[in-house]
Order: sequence, then structure tokens, then C-alpha cells
Amino acid sequence: GEDVEQSLFLSVREGDSSVINCTYTDSSSTYLYWYKQEPGAGLQLLTYIFSNMDMKQDQRLTVLLNKKDKHLSLRIADTQTGDSAIYFCAESGAGGTSYGKLTFGQGTILTVHP
Amino acid sequence: GAVVSQHPSWVICKSGTSVKIECRSLDFQATTMFWYRQFPKQSLMLMATSNEGSKATYEQGVEKDKFLINHASLTLSTLTVTSAHPEDSSFYICSASPREGRQETQYFGPGTRLLVL
Repeated sequence: GEDVEQSLFLSVREGDSSVINCTYTDSSSTYLYWYKQEPGAGLQLLTYIFSNMDMKQDQRLTVLLNKKDKHLSLRIADTQTGDSAIYFCAESGAGGTSYGKLTFGQGTILTVHP
Repeated sequence: GAVVSQHPSWVICKSGTSVKIECRSLDFQATTMFWYRQFPKQSLMLMATSNEGSKATYEQGVEKDKFLINHASLTLSTLTVTSAHPEDSSFYICSASPREGRQETQYFGPGTRLLVL
């Protein structure tokens, strides 16, 4: 089945950039997502990228996709303490029975130090 | 923006009782709703896909008689944990896709924390 892997922890200083990495195995993935989860809360969609794109930028967030290596990254510029949370990478299938179903990575705990 | 609510936000129950969790799309109609569970410090695992007016599709390893899902309307899906046991304690999260939306649009509820004593 599909598999999504992330590093578990990332610690950065306030003001620095954060880069969270993700690898996936399903070559038929159509969309790849980044979600943010704060303690005790549900998931907030940060951004997503269609599989035929290489890059997407949205304010402080930059998503890079290397489809050949099945590698996705999320860069947060000027990281703030409010960015401390768990970040999940997810992918969705091509259609049919996989339509809309998301496979999540384990989540990366981002800690931002003042 | 699209809002999904869950009720209750947390529940504590005795072993053997049944617990119902509601998932509502507040400002859009959802053809499809998804139910996930999340154990502490772990990722979300899809339990089932719920389509309005039809039976839910369960993921492998999820007991459909244990986790009853009903999607009676385009704005409401319910998950009932029957005869709950301590190992069912978890964080249950639903998500909803708008009826007219595109595949990439899926809105998550805030989650329901279940503790079975």
C-alpha cells in the first residue's frame, strides 16, 4: 500500500527558515498536502500541490515537489513561535476507490525557540 | 470558509457502553465524509469513507460492527463506537468534501477525544 514518511522532529530558532521533508511511495499520487495540527486540535490545511507542479509558494510557505524522487518539502520562512506544531504530509490517490482518501505521514514536530 | 464541527469534543465513558460522535458540515453540503483515528504521537489512520445515502466503506482491519457509520444527510455523519473498550480510547477526526468541490478540498473537524475507562 501507499506509504508516507517524515522525519519526526525539527527544532529551529525564531526568524530562521524551517524545512520539513517528506517522501512517498505512490507514484500515482495526484495531490500532496501539508497540514498543521496544534495541540489537542484538528488539522488545518496549509497548502497543497498538484503532482504536475514542481513548486508552489504561498506567503511564507514554499512547497517543492520532486516527482522523480517522490520527495516533498515544506519551507517556512521567518519561522515564528506560533508555527510550533505538528506538520503532516499527506497524499491522495488518482481516483476510483482512492478518490479523496488521504494517506498521512507520521507528522513532524516543529519546535521554534525564541 | 468551510467549517466542519464535531460533537462532543471530548467524552469519557465506561467500558461496554456505546458512544456516538457527530460530524457536521456547517456551511456546505458534503457528499463524502471520512473518519480517522489518531493515537497519541501518531499519524491519522483512515477508518472509513462515508457517502451520503449509502453504506460506508471501511479500511482493512476496521471492524464495521464495532464502528457504525451513518451518513443520513449531506451535512451530517455519525460514528458510533459500540461496546467501547479502553483500547478504543483515541482521538477521532472527521473530514468532509464539498458536494461541488474538487478532489483536493477536504475540511477537517476539530476532533473528538474519547477516553474509555
